[in-house]
Amino acid sequence: QVLLVESGGDVVQPGKSLRLSCAASGFTFSNSGMHWVRQAPGKGLEWVAVIWYDGSTKHYADSVKGRFIISRDNSENMLYLQMNSLRVEDTAVYYCARGGGATYDMDVWGLGTTVTVSS
Amino acid sequence: DIVMTQSPDSLAVSLGERATINCKSSQSVLYSSNNKNYLAWHQQRPGQPPKLLIYWASTRESGVPDRFRGSGSGTDFTLTISSLQAEDVAVYYCQQYYTTPPTFGQGTKVEIK
Repeated sequence: QVLLVESGGDVVQPGKSLRLSCAASGFTFSNSGMHWVRQAPGKGLEWVAVIWYDGSTKHYADSVKGRFIISRDNSENMLYLQMNSLRVEDTAVYYCARGGGATYDMDVWGLGTTVTVSS
Repeated sequence: DIVMTQSPDSLAVSLGERATINCKSSQSVLYSSNNKNYLAWHQQRPGQPPKLLIYWASTRESGVPDRFRGSGSGTDFTLTISSLQAEDVAVYYCQQYYTTPPTFGQGTKVEIK
């Protein structure tokens, strides 16, 4: 079955960096766009970034543009999110999600990994 | 950015009764070239990740019970749960995927009365 497993969440200080990973299985990873979506404690869903199936195009939310970098390794079925200059407001559960057939849709979600930014 | 606004923020419904959630987008998400509404509904049960329920505004994802029905077009959409079950307690989010950035409604919490 389709499975997405995130890892890399941690407690870090403001200004530090962290890299999240998402291991994909059960589908042809190289055919699917992939997203990162986050959820702050007790809040709703906020889209973070998307990368197209071949890595050729990336889009970011304004709140993370210039600080976060989405990337992928299709040979390893892995999605990444490099998070730099972390802020307290980046504290959230980060989910990776598979894109459906329409570029900005999401049809399968991972379990999530928790990032806490605190001094 | 397209703003998605859901109503109500929460509702309590008796088991077996109907629950109705509304979602309004700040601009149309109907793509004229294919006549498809780029609107999805996701369910998030307590302590779990979100799960896709409905896409193209009215198409149920595989395995989703037929008591879930999506409707609407353009800027106004509705998710109806025809006969609420205990396992339907969750927060429901509408999401537009018409353009970047994809955006979500604030969520509607459904509880048992």
